[in-house]
Amino acid sequence: GAGVSQSPSNKVTEKGKDVELRCDPISGHTALYWYRQSLGQGLEFLIYFQGNSAPDKSGLPSDRFSAERTGGSVSTLTIQRTQQEDSAVYLCASSLFSLGVYNEQFFGPGTRLTVL
Amino acid sequence: QKEVEQNSGPLSVPEGAIASLNCTYSDRGSQSFFWYRQYSGKSPELIMSIYSNGDKEDGRFTAQLNKASQYVSLLIRDSQPSDSATYLCAVNQPRSGGFKTIFGAGTRLFVKA
Repeated sequence: GAGVSQSPSNKVTEKGKDVELRCDPISGHTALYWYRQSLGQGLEFLIYFQGNSAPDKSGLPSDRFSAERTGGSVSTLTIQRTQQEDSAVYLCASSLFSLGVYNEQFFGPGTRLTVL
Repeated sequence: QKEVEQNSGPLSVPEGAIASLNCTYSDRGSQSFFWYRQYSGKSPELIMSIYSNGDKEDGRFTAQLNKASQYVSLLIRDSQPSDSATYLCAVNQPRSGGFKTIFGAGTRLFVKA
């Protein structure tokens, strides 16, 4: 079956513009995660969604960042008034959730965001 | 103390040697442990998962879990240059209402031909 897909694969924007990044998880995966990875750095957790529960937004770096997940499937990460420090690869992952435990995550190819 | 700690490396081993990657975690209630491999410019991909104490082998890879000592390791036998990558340890740690997956910062591995 299809894996996690993300779009666009690359996004170049000007400082101050808003951007939307999209993630399509694996069908049937109820958990969805967003991470950010700057060049040469580790994964920075941003937000995760599990079913109909309130999302864990504890990793969002500022109120310019928001995310939503519609219908328990597709998710959109929105960055308002982008800054140069927002330049990074944004990764989405999904996993099954059973018995209160998250299983292994499957990652999408990422969106490389460049803010000029 | 970080929740999941890994030596950042780089760890350099000659081709054919055993590479040993280690990870420690802070919460004794942790369950479900994962190793991911990330090539430069690519997304992480799962290579091993382990859920109970002991060893789990899959081809050239062996994951080892010791919950009493709160560490999990990954051994790569007969290391190949194609194994050169960053290896991420991930741990499910308890949170209110369930668990949350926490990633380590990763260890860079270089296998010299």
